[in-house]
Amino acid sequence: DVKVTQSSRYLVKRTGEKVFLECVQDMDHENMFWYRQDPGLGLRLIYFSYDVKMKEKGDIPEGYSVSREKKERFSLILESASTNQTSMYLCASRGPHRGTDTQYFGPGTRLTVL
Amino acid sequence: RKEVEQDPGPFNVPEGATVAFNCTYSNSASQSFFWYRQDCRKEPKLLMSVYSSGNEDGRFTAQLNRASQYISLLIRDSKLSDSATYLCVVNDNTNAGKSTFGDGTTLTVKP
Repeated sequence: DVKVTQSSRYLVKRTGEKVFLECVQDMDHENMFWYRQDPGLGLRLIYFSYDVKMKEKGDIPEGYSVSREKKERFSLILESASTNQTSMYLCASRGPHRGTDTQYFGPGTRLTVL
Repeated sequence: RKEVEQDPGPFNVPEGATVAFNCTYSNSASQSFFWYRQDCRKEPKLLMSVYSSGNEDGRFTAQLNRASQYISLLIRDSKLSDSATYLCVVNDNTNAGKSTFGDGTTLTVKP
C-alpha cells in the first residue's frame, strides 16, 4: 500500500516566518506534487518534480519554492509566509506512467498564517 | 474558461437514486482521466480511472467522450456513504503528466 506522509496535520505560523512543509513517500515514485486547496478554488498545483533535483512550476508558484534532494522526499518552502497562504496543502506522489498511474495523496497540512 | 469544468452541484439525492456527474476539459492533448473522491477534511482518493471504452466498478460507471471532450460518472443505487465531493482529473501528455483537477461536485445522499 502506498503511503504518503506529511510532517504536520496542523500548523500555525506568523506573517514573515519561513515555513517548511515536508512530504515523504515510500513507493519509490518518480513524480511528486504540491497542491493547495481552498474553498471555491479547488486544488491548484504549486510545484511538481519528476526526478531528484528536478522541479517544475505549477499554476501558482509565486511565494513558494521546493526542494527534492532525495527521491522519497519533496519539501515545500514558504520563504516569508503571508496571510493569503493560509490554506490546506496537499502533497501527492505518482509512478512513472503518466497515462495510467494515479496520484496518491498525503493527509494534508492545514496551515494558518496569522 | 477553466481547463477542467464540472457540474456546479451540490447534488442532494435520496438513497437508491441514480445520479450522474459530467466534466468537460479543454486540452485536446489530454491523455488520461480519473475520478477521485474526497471526503470532508480528508485527502482525495482515487475512485476510478476512465477508459475510452467506458468502465464499470460495481455501482459506478465512468465514460469518456474524446470527440466532445467530456467524461462522466454515473452512480446507481446511491448509498449514504457515497456522500462526498467527486473530483474530475485530467492528465496532459507532458513529461510529468501534469494533472488538472476540477473544482469538484458535492453529493449528499439523504435517507
